[in-house]
Amino acid sequence: TQLLEQSPQFLSIQEGENLTVYCNSSSVFSSLQWYRQEPGEGPVLLVTVVTGGEVKKLKRLTFQFGDARKDSSLHITAAQPGDTGLYLCAGLTQGGSEKLVFGKGTKLTVNP
Amino acid sequence: NAGVMQNPRHLVRRRGQEARLRCSPMKGHSHVYWYRQLPEEGLKFMVYLQKENIIDESGMPKERFSAEFPKEGPSILRIQQVVRGDSAAYFCASSPALRYGYTFGSGTRLTVV
Repeated sequence: TQLLEQSPQFLSIQEGENLTVYCNSSSVFSSLQWYRQEPGEGPVLLVTVVTGGEVKKLKRLTFQFGDARKDSSLHITAAQPGDTGLYLCAGLTQGGSEKLVFGKGTKLTVNP
Repeated sequence: NAGVMQNPRHLVRRRGQEARLRCSPMKGHSHVYWYRQLPEEGLKFMVYLQKENIIDESGMPKERFSAEFPKEGPSILRIQQVVRGDSAAYFCASSPALRYGYTFGSGTRLTVV
């Protein structure tokens, strides 16, 4: 079973602070995706990273894929209350039928 | 350009009844996935379908659960003889091909009373 561990599980910060959340696995994934989910809604795709060592930026969000394609991080600069939500990482399994395996998520609260 | 449409949004069933959850993928998307989400447990894969084919059902409970994606019409997740432990949010996602990001629906929240 390919598992993704996300940390921290909960994070509460003040507006304007920076933060990093992590996604780790002992398995190699062909690609890794980050989603954000708000209460009562489905997850929304933020980014897909494919190449080991890849870094992608989306405004104040920076995503990094580890060199060995086993881990990833999401860094948010100058967090805003609108960043509040559940951040999920998901790895695309290799071999067999390809499907996304999700971590349990990091629940981020940004206080004004 | 509608996204993934799931209905109903909320479904209440008594123990022993059947629950039918529907999912219409985005136009042009031929891959459909069903996930179940419980509080604090994340999204758990259930089944992956393409038109008229079940590709991977390794996450489906062996009994009472079934899924289909017919040639015409939405994908259906069917739960027979529901029990309280089936209460959860069920999400459908679609993608145009392998290795693309998924587009999720808003989910169906099933409550078994």
